[in-house]
Amino acid sequence: DTGVSQDPRHKITKRGQNVTFRCDPISEHNRLYWYRQTLGQGPEFLTYFQNEAQLEKSRLLSDRFSAERPKGSFSTLEIQRTEQGDSAMYLCASRDIRDSPLHFGNGTRLTVT
Amino acid sequence: KQEVTQIPAALSVPEGENLVLNCSFTDSAIYNLQWFRQDPGKGLTSLLLIQSSQREQTSGRLNASLDKSSGRSTLYIAASQPGDSATYLCAVNPRKAAGNKLTFGGGTRVLVKP
Repeated sequence: DTGVSQDPRHKITKRGQNVTFRCDPISEHNRLYWYRQTLGQGPEFLTYFQNEAQLEKSRLLSDRFSAERPKGSFSTLEIQRTEQGDSAMYLCASRDIRDSPLHFGNGTRLTVT
Repeated sequence: KQEVTQIPAALSVPEGENLVLNCSFTDSAIYNLQWFRQDPGKGLTSLLLIQSSQREQTSGRLNASLDKSSGRSTLYIAASQPGDSATYLCAVNPRKAAGNKLTFGGGTRVLVKP
């Protein structure tokens, strides 16, 4: 168990550019979540995968955001045409069954200039 | 809609004092409640998970209680140390939410002064 891994740790991009983040969950965890956290706030849910199926998306996830989890292993979160309001910490988490603890990665901090 | 509140937003105590952190939630239909610690610029570290059927969980100096009927959980940290300085977040795992996604409180930022 190497924990949830996220890459990159930090990303600075100019407004209008596309960015992609990667999350590697704990092996054999079939449930994967993406959250977004802004300064001084608790994390907010973005989207949820069970295996390769994306089962729920928050209304926070505009059409500029897309997430995938091919083969039910790692996941990617892409933001197209970034805006300054997208600046936040993007957190990935995983767990095996629905009432087990949720394990988080260290996050990707995005800064849009 | 489940709402989770943590009061106070910030807390400062001298080293050695016991910490009491509060979490309240509006819908008692939950699977469990989880407490996390977050250091600045880092991800969340799970501290304790209390299932809905449990009243409390303990790990070392940490003790978390759950009163589901009143929608409250409390995290106690005994004999606080400067290394306990961090933001503490509670999150509920609601039964009614698809995917059982956690709903978080805003956190309590704790400073333990040496």
